[in-house]
Amino acid sequence: EEQLSESGGGLIQPGGSLRLSCAASGFSFRDYAMTWVRQAPGKGLEWVSSISASADSRFYGDSVKGRFTISRDNSNNMLYLLMNSLRADDTALYYCGRTPTGHYGSGFYFWGQGSLVTVSS
Amino acid sequence: QAALTQPRSVSGSPGQSVTISCTGTSSDVGRYNYVSWYQQRPGRGPRLLIFDATDRPSGVPDRFFGSKLGNTASLIISGLQAEDEGDYYCCSYGGNYNFVFGTGTRVTVL
Repeated sequence: EEQLSESGGGLIQPGGSLRLSCAASGFSFRDYAMTWVRQAPGKGLEWVSSISASADSRFYGDSVKGRFTISRDNSNNMLYLLMNSLRADDTALYYCGRTPTGHYGSGFYFWGQGSLVTVSS
Repeated sequence: QAALTQPRSVSGSPGQSVTISCTGTSSDVGRYNYVSWYQQRPGRGPRLLIFDATDRPSGVPDRFFGSKLGNTASLIISGLQAEDEGDYYCCSYGGNYNFVFGTGTRVTVL
């Protein structure tokens, strides 16, 4: 059974840093592009960042560009999101997702419950 | 990149059909067949219903149907059931390796 499990969230002060992790199992992790999507409390979904299967290409939404870094460890089936210079509007539930096909743009499977990041003093 | 436009809410009685529209531009929905749809029940993570505009993942009932015409994609839910209540989001690849989500639609089963 395919699974994704996010962790690493918590309460952090503005300007601080946090690293989210996503553990993948049940599929060949190294064969798929991976993505982070977030959802602020009571709001809709927002694409944050994606990384190619081989990690040679990384992409970011405008709201996080220059502050967040996506990475992956294909040997250990792990996806990461390093978040620096956190702001109050980064407060959200963060989900990791996998493409359903080999095509980057196809969409995302989300199998986890997300990791909550709260940025507040 | 502006969010895709969805109706705020739609409703229907059990057994009826409802349609959720998702309007973008010629730079996203109109340009690529990379439109996906998600269902989100209260307190749950998003569930993929449709990818590549019309394809259903295994396990998704064929009551969920995706289509696209020009700059607008649509999700049709036929034979509406109580368990279909929740929020629905569309998403489109927007070029330059970016994605844009829709504003979300609340589906209510009367």
